[in-house]
Amino acid sequence: GEDVEQSLFLSVREGDSSVINCTYTDSSSTYLYWYKQEPGAGLQLLTYIFSNMDMKQDQRLTVLLNKKDKHLSLRIADTQTGDSAIYFCAPRSGGYQKVTFGTGTKLQVIP
Amino acid sequence: EAQVTQNPRYLITVTGKKLTVTCSQNMNHEYMSWYRQDPGLGLRQIYYSMNVEVTDKGDVPEGYKVSRKEKRNFPLILESPSPNQTSLYFCASSPIDRVTNEKLFFGSGTQLSVL
Repeated sequence: GEDVEQSLFLSVREGDSSVINCTYTDSSSTYLYWYKQEPGAGLQLLTYIFSNMDMKQDQRLTVLLNKKDKHLSLRIADTQTGDSAIYFCAPRSGGYQKVTFGTGTKLQVIP
Repeated sequence: EAQVTQNPRYLITVTGKKLTVTCSQNMNHEYMSWYRQDPGLGLRQIYYSMNVEVTDKGDVPEGYKVSRKEKRNFPLILESPSPNQTSLYFCASSPIDRVTNEKLFFGSGTQLSVL
């Protein structure tokens, strides 16, 4: 099956940019999602990119996809304390049952 | 309000005592799934269902059962819980549309401790 790897922790200062990285193994991944999990809550879709795109920008969020290296990144500009959460990379290959979640990166924002 | 509802929110039990975690969605979604979240391992899929009476194993199905008798409900059953099933469990649902990109809707989670 697909393997999805992320670093476990990231700490940034408020106002700086955060970059969360993800590597995956299945080159047939079609959609690549980023989900956010706030403390004590379920996951919510943050953004996604389709596999034929290199970049997607959505307000403070920028997603970069390098298909050749199977590398996905999420950049959060002007990081705020409300961005403190766990971020999951989740490539999808095929049907709905084929969404594989990474280990999650816990983002800590220091005021 | 469109939502996925899990109950209970917290559960402490003992080894071998059968339990059921309920999951219900009010969005008429075909697809439902159960995940467990463990530190350093992310979310791993336990079982999923593509529609009523259609269920299939995910990556870590051992020790779990599910049923899908109605479209809105997808209970997770632990017939004989063991301590290694102590985890945070999430139910999720989604419509099935092979053309558009449909996101997963998650419940708030059930923290299970098996002593």
